[in-house]
Amino acid sequence: DSGVTQTPKHLITATGQRVTLRCSPRSGDLSVYWYQQSLDQGLQFLIQYYNGEERAKGNILERFSAQQFPDLHSELNLSSLELGDSALYFCASSLRTGAYEQYFGPGTRLTVT
Amino acid sequence: TQLLEQSPQFLSIQEGENLTVYCNSSSVFSSLQWYRQEPGEGPVLLVTVVTGGEVKKLKRLTFQFGDARKDSSLHITAAQPGDTGLYLCAGFPYTGKLIFGQGTTLQVKP
Repeated sequence: DSGVTQTPKHLITATGQRVTLRCSPRSGDLSVYWYQQSLDQGLQFLIQYYNGEERAKGNILERFSAQQFPDLHSELNLSSLELGDSALYFCASSLRTGAYEQYFGPGTRLTVT
Repeated sequence: TQLLEQSPQFLSIQEGENLTVYCNSSSVFSSLQWYRQEPGEGPVLLVTVVTGGEVKKLKRLTFQFGDARKDSSLHITAAQPGDTGLYLCAGFPYTGKLIFGQGTTLQVKP
């Protein structure tokens, strides 16, 4: 158990809908990262937050957004969903930003039908 | 663009065999990590190597960081079915975010 929790575990929704994925980092970790993993793309970095502020952006679509709250939990919002958004979404946390070890949650499997 | 290339992409071996997975880049990394991921689960950190030439051992797993800090290898001795999974290397460049390789899928048959 990494100490990172993610909900829900599975999510099935239709195209055009909007969903919110939730992540709670390990106790004491200030940095949260979101990744998307699909069979053909591997693990792709989406966005990072550090102590409530956006720190780095990766290959995140404009339809996707995220935030980190004062209690350090984070939410990833996916809107106008397309079939191609079906993937595993992972949250990871680290103590600080930079070259610190990241600990991954169990992931949310999103299926868009 | 900084890339980490892993090889092989797929590996299927018999229990008891040895194997090596490679992670290569043209970029220099301040540190490099190896993760193992099982189907439907998140990646689990196995090791971090930070010094060029460093070798770390974790039971039957041996990790090496290249002298030039551009490459790494993972060697498994006497593989067991429990070693089956996706092995990911990830590197921290001196500037920028953690970069993941595409992964090596290992299947160990009993």
